[in-house]
Amino acid sequence: EDQVTQSPEALRLQEGESSSLNCSYTVSGLRGLFWYRQDPGKGPEFLFTLYSAGEEKEKERLKATLTKKESFLHITAPKPEDSATYLCAVPWSGNQFYFGTGTSLTVIP
Amino acid sequence: ETGVTQTPRHLVMGMTNKKSLKCEQHLGHNAMYWYKQSAKKPLELMFVYNFKEQTENNSVPSRFSPECPNSSHLFLHLHTLQPEDSALYLCASSQATGGNNSPLHFGNGTRLTVT
Repeated sequence: EDQVTQSPEALRLQEGESSSLNCSYTVSGLRGLFWYRQDPGKGPEFLFTLYSAGEEKEKERLKATLTKKESFLHITAPKPEDSATYLCAVPWSGNQFYFGTGTSLTVIP
Repeated sequence: ETGVTQTPRHLVMGMTNKKSLKCEQHLGHNAMYWYKQSAKKPLELMFVYNFKEQTENNSVPSRFSPECPNSSHLFLHLHTLQPEDSALYLCASSQATGGNNSPLHFGNGTRLTVT
């Protein structure tokens, strides 16, 4: 049973073309939803934590939002340097996290 | 040096070899983790150490043996691996908290190829 599902699996955008990535989860008693960015050949880099429905966090062209069942990562006017795989994760027990399989984003100049 | 450092970055080993992966964190965190990342699969937690004590072992085969001598260093000892063990092995650290979880900080991983 999947606890975290990300969609789409891959996304190609033209530079400047805004879009959203989705992360849906089924864990009850959410203790945070985490977004990470992973560049090829590197480890995931922490972006945001969201703790409650309605919460929003922003960083440059990225904005993360949270509802009771899913989170969105909105990318406004993306640039080629935003190309990466974006991962979301939720904690479920102790120090354990469920990770999604990620969305691979490619921004074409 | 800052963050989480992993060595080596790349490792090719035969199925009969013994090797070790090393991780060091300079963030003052008290929890350290080993994750396995394979293509098209979610990150898979292997081991967790809190204050040098192992608290999680997710049914990892005994050919993988972790060691945490202190809260800044973590090793993964490998022996008689199988080709399906080829993957990116990521080390991470975090502040161990009882309430809301704090984020993981990852190293850049060791790309392991088992021949």
